[in-house]
Amino acid sequence: GQQLNQSPQSMFIQEGEDVSMNCTSSSIFNTWLWYKQDPGEGPVLLIALYKAGELTSNGRLTAQFGITRKDSFLNISASIPSDVGIYFCAGQGFNKFYFGSGTKLNVKP
Amino acid sequence: EAGVAQSPRYKIIEKRQSVAFWCNPISGHATLYWYQQILGQGPKLLIQFQNNGVVDDSQLPKDRFSAERLKGVDSTLKIQPAKLEDSAVYLCASRVSLNTEAFFGQGTRLTVV
Repeated sequence: GQQLNQSPQSMFIQEGEDVSMNCTSSSIFNTWLWYKQDPGEGPVLLIALYKAGELTSNGRLTAQFGITRKDSFLNISASIPSDVGIYFCAGQGFNKFYFGSGTKLNVKP
Repeated sequence: EAGVAQSPRYKIIEKRQSVAFWCNPISGHATLYWYQQILGQGPKLLIQFQNNGVVDDSQLPKDRFSAERLKGVDSTLKIQPAKLEDSAVYLCASRVSLNTEAFFGQGTRLTVV
């Protein structure tokens, strides 16, 4: 399958700090999605992006679909302890869904 | 709206045994995926169905894995015989169409001993 490079692999931050993570690919995608996965659960959709250049917010989360359609970033502002988890980017190409390797977020109260 | 249902949640089997997982997608969702997620990695696509037809099974180890989606609704994924490296969480996801986002079930955690 296609490779999505997601970084950073893990982050340790203080509560209240802002967080940024990104995803890049050598291939163009029509859709970028960001999911969060808690231990023992399936991924839960956070934000979906459908147009190149699109910037979308969902509460404290903001994500952008890169102009080249080969990248996306996710920002979390004013982090709180419940933001802890693994964040995955996913790119949708023709008929397929590819996932990044995840960013593990740790938030210190 | 009910979410994607998967069962069982957990399964422990010995190597060389067989196992089956079940998925009930969200009503009306034509596209169904099975993913394998090994600990510490992102989900890896095993098979994609569109209604009851297979769209992509290029990464399904067909010598031991099989999946079906009879009547285009529920789906089962089977492993026979299981190997130690099959230990993973098996996720099912569904979507209305190829232009909409996918929703995931809670997954089945398989441990092969």
